Amino acid sequence: AQSVTQLGSHVSVSEGALVLLRCNYSSSVPPYLFWYVQYPNQGLQLLLKYTSAATLVKGINGFEAEFKKSETSFHLTKPSAHMSDAAEYFCAVSDPDGNEKLTFGTGTRLTIIP
Amino acid sequence: GAVVSQHPSWVICKSGTSVKIECRSLDFQATTMFWYRQFPKQSLMLMATSNEGSKATYEQGVEKDKFLINHASLTLSTLTVTSAHPEDSSFYICSARDRGFSLAGYTFGSGTRLTVV
Repeated sequence: AQSVTQLGSHVSVSEGALVLLRCNYSSSVPPYLFWYVQYPNQGLQLLLKYTSAATLVKGINGFEAEFKKSETSFHLTKPSAHMSDAAEYFCAVSDPDGNEKLTFGTGTRLTIIP
Repeated sequence: GAVVSQHPSWVICKSGTSVKIECRSLDFQATTMFWYRQFPKQSLMLMATSNEGSKATYEQGVEKDKFLINHASLTLSTLTVTSAHPEDSSFYICSARDRGFSLAGYTFGSGTRLTVV
């Protein structure tokens, strides 16, 4: 069974500072990995995805993530936080050889300090 | 890009009544749709997976007779909460996978906030 663990349910950073949201995965096969962002009372928007191509993945809004097999990690980063980045972020994993349903982490709420 | 339209965005209903939530893929054919439930400040929990023209597959612990899912066409899936009770109050989100599965992943609807009073 596959799973993801997001360390830190709440992360606060100052505006302009580095954003680092952690995600570790557990999967018996090389997984597909996703980061989604959710604003209050809205659905999920895809930030970026890893599907066994380049290990450094660039997404929208200046976010990127690096797939590290040795560390089983897929941490999300952004060099400079903006107030509009305040939201809930979910890491998700999909087994490409299975039924392809997504398994989500518990989420990290990002707060930006002015 | 792929768009999934989910309606209604919010609904309030009386205990004991049924509520239908629609999820439509607007510009692609969705062979598979997923229905999630999200409690406040929690993650998304998969309720069921529906494939066009076949019965939905429910996750363990989800009552199939209470949460009726219909996926009659490649662009429409519905979730009906039957005999709703206050504990069914939650945020429900659908997600659709493109028939071509371009690895773009899964497109999510904007969610439905259900409040049962």
